[in-house]
Amino acid sequence: AQSVTQPDIHITVSEGASLELRCNYSYGATPYLFWYVQSPGQGLQLLLKYFSGDTLVQGIKGFEAEFKRSQSSFNLRKPSVHWSDAAEYFCALMTGGGNKLTFGTGTQLKVEL
Amino acid sequence: SQTIHQWPATLVQPVGSPLSLECTVEGTSNPNLYWYRQAAGRGLQLLFYSVGIGQISSEVPQNLSASRPQDRQFILSSKKLLLSDSGFYLCAWQAGLHRYFGPGTRLTVL
Repeated sequence: AQSVTQPDIHITVSEGASLELRCNYSYGATPYLFWYVQSPGQGLQLLLKYFSGDTLVQGIKGFEAEFKRSQSSFNLRKPSVHWSDAAEYFCALMTGGGNKLTFGTGTQLKVEL
Repeated sequence: SQTIHQWPATLVQPVGSPLSLECTVEGTSNPNLYWYRQAAGRGLQLLFYSVGIGQISSEVPQNLSASRPQDRQFILSSKKLLLSDSGFYLCAWQAGLHRYFGPGTRLTVL
């Protein structure tokens, strides 16, 4: 069965510092991978996605993610974090021809000013 | 463009009372629709999904039910709420391989 692991429950970074949020997946075939962001009390917003092709994908708000098949990872990065990036971030894996979307448990990002 | 609405935004209900949460989608037709629950400190749990009017699939057995009376309307219901039903409920729709989420409803059962 497919699964998604986000090993960091909480991460704190200083504003202006770089950020990397980890995501590992377990799936036997080519994955479709997503990163979503959720601000407090809000729905989920899609940051970026990987379906195929270039393994480095660019998203909104200056985020990028790199798909590494050998490591079964899809880590999210941002070179310089802004205070408004404080939120919860979810990695997700789509399988079953697009029918099943499995989420990780999320990483809560805190940004120190 | 497509828009997804959920109401109410916030709801406080006593244990044993009924529940009806509504989700509507604009700007698309025959979407796949989904209900998720997000409990405090936990990830997102898929509750129900629907591929068409009157077609509901349940992912987990529970105190809740779902209905899809119209193409772009998805309703989450309960006859008697439990304390454990508290959480943040998200509706979503899918276009191709993209799943879009609504703003959510915060339900507190007291």
